[in-house]
Amino acid sequence: EPEVTQTPSHQVTQMGQEVILRCVPISNHLYFYWYRQILGQKVEFLVSFYNNEISEKSEIFDDQFSVERPDGSNFTLKIRSTKLEDSAMYFCASSDWVGTEGHFGDGTRLSIL
Amino acid sequence: EDKVVQSPLSLVVHEGDTVTLNCSYEVTNFRSLLWYKQEKKAPTFLFMLTSSGIEKKSGRLSSILDKKELFSILNITATQTGDSAIYLCAVINSGGSNYKLTFGKGTLLTVNP
Repeated sequence: EPEVTQTPSHQVTQMGQEVILRCVPISNHLYFYWYRQILGQKVEFLVSFYNNEISEKSEIFDDQFSVERPDGSNFTLKIRSTKLEDSAMYFCASSDWVGTEGHFGDGTRLSIL
Repeated sequence: EDKVVQSPLSLVVHEGDTVTLNCSYEVTNFRSLLWYKQEKKAPTFLFMLTSSGIEKKSGRLSSILDKKELFSILNITATQTGDSAIYLCAVINSGGSNYKLTFGKGTLLTVNP
């Protein structure tokens, strides 16, 4: 069964550094999403992306964050100047149509030191 | 502000018991309600509910939505230790190509042998 893959599985970064989290969505999917889950807390929506542009973003997704689909397969989340509170599990998801269930990747655990 | 509230937050049962997990919501532009099971990593999709009163069933799991009272329940009969997980409820609210998924905090289910 096709799946969403995310790399790396764990990223450790110094505070203030930039990180790029990578995702390869399911190949025929058109809608892409990033979520985060701070340890012990609920999954939070960050951003949805369709047709090479952001279609919806939450208040968490401020100027520190950006997303990109640099080629036909990858979907990236960049966090500039990371803060301690950015430490979380970041999940990528994709779906074949808006408003259907998203298929989630296994996540990248981001640890900011 | 969109809200999804799950109850109970945690539940411990014995194998063979039947459990009912609750999810209530207040969101704008409701489209669908989703149930996910989260074990170690990525949430895995269980059900998507769009219409009131129509039960979705998969093996020992079933779910139903009440759009008038704004809630859903997830039933698990004859529980097994493998059902131990966090069960997440999420609501899709969308308009046009915009899409946002709001999660509840989850119910941690522990099934003891």
